[in-house]
Amino acid sequence: DAGITQSPRHKVTETGTPVTLRCHQTENHRYMYWYRQDPGHGLRLIHYSYGVKDTDKGEVSDGYSVSRSKTEDFLLTLESATSSQTSVYFCAISESIANYGYTFGSGTRLTVV
Amino acid sequence: AQSVTQLDSQVPVFEEAPVELRCNYSSSVSVYLFWYVQYPNQGLQLLLKYLSGSTLVESINGFEAEFNKSQTSFHLRKPSVHISDTAEYFCAVNHQSDTGRRALTFGSGTRLQVQP
Repeated sequence: DAGITQSPRHKVTETGTPVTLRCHQTENHRYMYWYRQDPGHGLRLIHYSYGVKDTDKGEVSDGYSVSRSKTEDFLLTLESATSSQTSVYFCAISESIANYGYTFGSGTRLTVV
Repeated sequence: AQSVTQLDSQVPVFEEAPVELRCNYSSSVSVYLFWYVQYPNQGLQLLLKYLSGSTLVESINGFEAEFNKSQTSFHLRKPSVHISDTAEYFCAVNHQSDTGRRALTFGSGTRLQVQP
């Protein structure tokens, strides 16, 4: 979607290595979110951010960390990748915490071998 | 805690037939409800939302959903589907955590397969 970009789009990495995924927005939205999508589970929230240096854990945050030093960038780091973290990762942004829904990026397909 | 249940993982239907995709939520507080659509190899797109007011909400491409508070449901319907409606559909509720912060909680998705 226009205004939100995820990089890389695809990545293959080895077990035990650190990996960082980037979400970049040009909409100046305050709220940003990281989800993972797995078959049968829908989307599950990993971490989210209410603003610069203001982040919080979601339901599946173990093994992940995030940082937001600028409004436009929200980084997701897998500290030591495991095969269970093979997934499609989506970033989302929102203008409001409740009313407007989210705009999603195109996703990053991560494979941990 | 809030959760979202989509009762059907797959729904096959013939073109021009009606369809209903079911969604139930559990919540003890007022909710905001959403339907998203995901076409193959793409991100999610907002289809429609219920915030307040009229319980029947519509999208620009013929889908509608009805908020039913007594049954805690937000089913998605379309009277006549097209091949191009083939996609995965996700129901979501705006969930408030123990810290008072909000984020969307998604159902597991329903794959709509429209056959000619």
